[in-house]
Amino acid sequence: DVKVTQSSRYLVKRTGEKVFLECVQDMDHENMFWYRQDPGLGLRLIYFSYDVKMKEKGDIPEGYSVSREKKERFSLILESASTNQTSMYLCASRATRDRGRVYGYTFGSGTRLTVV
Amino acid sequence: GEDVEQSLFLSVREGDSSVINCTYTDSSSTYLYWYKQEPGAGLQLLTYIFSNMDMKQDQRLTVLLNKKDKHLSLRIADTQTGDSAIYFCAETLYNQGGKLIFGQGTELSVKP
Repeated sequence: DVKVTQSSRYLVKRTGEKVFLECVQDMDHENMFWYRQDPGLGLRLIYFSYDVKMKEKGDIPEGYSVSREKKERFSLILESASTNQTSMYLCASRATRDRGRVYGYTFGSGTRLTVV
Repeated sequence: GEDVEQSLFLSVREGDSSVINCTYTDSSSTYLYWYKQEPGAGLQLLTYIFSNMDMKQDQRLTVLLNKKDKHLSLRIADTQTGDSAIYFCAETLYNQGGKLIFGQGTELSVKP
């Protein structure tokens, strides 16, 4: 089974801190994604990466950055945490699309971040 | 632009059928998905349908796709308390590298 592991289930950080959320996948997937989940808003894409050292902005990248130095690891960085970044953060990975096949995403269990 | 809409809540009695609805706007969708999220967990792929199909059945789950109206539904037969979860509809856009766009999620509550 593909596993996507997020390093922390719960985090509490102070306003202004630099925060790192780590995600590791073990199936050699090229594509990795960071979403945030908020009630009534569903999942919104923050950043994604098609391969090592590549990154693309999603729909809500402001206040975030990412790092993909190794294929299996995709880190989300909150440069200066703010209370409006309190949310559930979900990481996902996917093999490079293969025409005609389902683009299956595998999700991690999520990190619930509270910024106080 | 792309947009996926779902109602936020649905409550049913155990043993009844549940129907969760979703509308989407982008006609370039290739695959449409239903994901399930149990409390405290990530998202689990339940089922999917390719955009050239209009129905798919998988045990208790039936997916119906109306491309003309851009409407997708998930029917769960004989709903059980273990089906209580949030259900997300999602579409993938071929012309955007397969990016997944999610709806807001429908919270299904199953009462005994």
